[in-house]
Amino acid sequence: AAGVIQSPRHLIKEKRETATLKCYPIPRHDTVYWYQQGPGQDPQFLISFYEKMQSDKGSIPDRFSAQQFSDYHSELNMSSLELGDSALYFCASSLRGAGYEQYFGPGTRLTVT
Amino acid sequence: GESVGLHLPTLSVQEGDNSIINCAYSNSASDYFIWYKQESGKGPQFIIDIRSNMDKRQGQRVTVLLNKTVKHLSLQIAATQPGDSAVYFCAETQGGSEKLVFGKGTKLTVNP
Repeated sequence: AAGVIQSPRHLIKEKRETATLKCYPIPRHDTVYWYQQGPGQDPQFLISFYEKMQSDKGSIPDRFSAQQFSDYHSELNMSSLELGDSALYFCASSLRGAGYEQYFGPGTRLTVT
Repeated sequence: GESVGLHLPTLSVQEGDNSIINCAYSNSASDYFIWYKQESGKGPQFIIDIRSNMDKRQGQRVTVLLNKTVKHLSLQIAATQPGDSAVYFCAETQGGSEKLVFGKGTKLTVNP
């Protein structure tokens, strides 16, 4: 079965650079979520989208922004990167109303040097 | 996750034994509780969920128990196998929001 696709899988950036992470949800899933997971930490919710509109917002820094496109894929844009942004970034998708059954992608490992 | 947490950070069992992973929560308004399995370098994998108005749900080799009186959630894995070795997270959805609030993980190690 098709799963959530994330790209790139690994990304190395320097401080103050920008990064763009992409997420392609499971076909027919209309809701996309972004989570950040630091080393040894639990995933922390950043932001979610439904039908191209932001549906919920968590602890996402102002330096980050995200959007969902008409084909339901989503992009997380990160600017002025800091060392503390180094983490795994997961995208998850679900059907609207079934957020209790979110399916996660393999993640993008961002390293900021 | 401020309102969801786990009792033990690590659990080691022998292959074939049953495993029980526990989770405590504090938010009575939680709608759903979900268990995820995360293997090293991979994304969390959905295992099973339980709605807050239920007290037990069974899946394939897994059972989730919800005790709302003491705000306790557990995941039971029958006949644990080496492939079950991973970090297990409980998570919840709250108040109609579909974002997941994760608890601290428990690392399960299955010894052959």
